This record gives sequence, structure tokens and C-alpha cells, in this order.
Amino acid sequence: DAMVIQNPRYQVTQFGKPVTLSCSQTLNHNVMYWYQQKSSQAPKLLFHYYDKDFNNEADTPDNFQSRRPNTSFCFLDIRSPGLGDAAMYLCATSRNWDRGGAKNIQYFGAGTRLSVL
Amino acid sequence: AQSVTQLDSHVSVSEGTPVLLRCNYSSSYSPSLFWYVQHPNKGLQLLLKYTSAATLVKGINGFEAEFKKSETSFHLTKPSAHMSDAAEYFCVVSDLVDTGGFKTIFGAGTRLFVKA
Repeated sequence: DAMVIQNPRYQVTQFGKPVTLSCSQTLNHNVMYWYQQKSSQAPKLLFHYYDKDFNNEADTPDNFQSRRPNTSFCFLDIRSPGLGDAAMYLCATSRNWDRGGAKNIQYFGAGTRLSVL
Repeated sequence: AQSVTQLDSHVSVSEGTPVLLRCNYSSSYSPSLFWYVQHPNKGLQLLLKYTSAATLVKGINGFEAEFKKSETSFHLTKPSAHMSDAAEYFCVVSDLVDTGGFKTIFGAGTRLFVKA
């Protein structure tokens, strides 16, 4: 029944070694988001795709990139992970409006916890 | 401009007693408001949403929230806490922005502790 699936759940990488996190969705939503969440903090939006249009947040480091090859999949690439990039990474999707009129309900995956050694 | 303030970073209740998690917001237009819950090492789960229909909104697991425009509040309540309610709760506001599209703002979160 999982609608937003993130793989893997736990990822360990080495300092400076590129890593890719993946997200897939079965909801056919237009929008896919990547958030970074550090311990005891709210999720911080890194970027989102509206269909194929990529929207980067102004303060997202260049070290973070994303790809969306089709509607269902979205990837987060960290080119040279640093110790400060250790965090939970959350993928979410939305359709902008739901039938009840809510704006931009986001549906989240379970997250990938990234450790950097 | 939009903003969300969760007034308590931590709330501690005893099992079986009421829960109140407070949220105030500001928005230029007519926002949608949400509460999400996050259990340890899990993603965020939608508890409930407000969309400008009924001001008292019922969600999953016995939670409800009341939208009070005059107070710009959207507090989350539950009559009787259960141990499984211990988690982090996020109040979220989403609205249109002048340049088009949506802006979604997360509150800082409230950690709920439930004592046996």
C-alpha cells in the first residue's frame, strides 16, 4: 500500500564519496520534493520538481542535485558528502489541490537516514 | 508573508489525560492548514487538514483541530492520550503566493511525551 517509497531506509557513505538516494511514487502526482531533516528540527526543503521543471531553494548547496527521469521516480544526488550532510532525507509528493480543496497536501515517504563516515 | 509558530517545543502528559498542541499562523490569503505526526525514524504522516470548510476538523487516531481565524490559531487536541501518541508533531500552512504556485511552511515541531 506504500505510496511514496524511499530506498534505502539507511545509507552509509564515506566523506566525499558520491551517494544517490531514490524515491518512487504510485500516486501519479505532479510534484515531488526532497527535504533534509536534521535531528530535532523541522524538515528543510532542498528542491522540488513540478513535472519536469526543477525548482531549487535559494539556500540549497550546489553539492545537492536531483533528477526526475519520469513521473514516478526522483533521485537525490549528493556529489561530495560532508559530515554535516548526515541527516534524514525525506521525499514527498503532492498534486497541489485535493478534491476537498486543500492546497498542496504532501505525502511523505518513510525517509532515508544518511550517515557519513 | 506566511509563518507558523508552534508555541511549545515539548509537551508532556500522562496517559489518559488530554493533549493540547498549540499552533499560530499568519497568511496573506486563505491558507490550508495541516498537522503531521512523525514517529522516530519515520516519515511524516498526515493527521488532519483544514481547507476553509468546517472549522472543527477531525483527523486520525482521535485527534482534532479547530481553526480560529480571529486568533489565527489551529491548535491540535485529543481527549485522552495514548502511549503510542508519543511523537513529533508539525503544524504546516500552505497557501498561494504572489508569484504563483504554493508556499508551504513547517512549524518547528512539538515533541509530545506520554507518561504511563
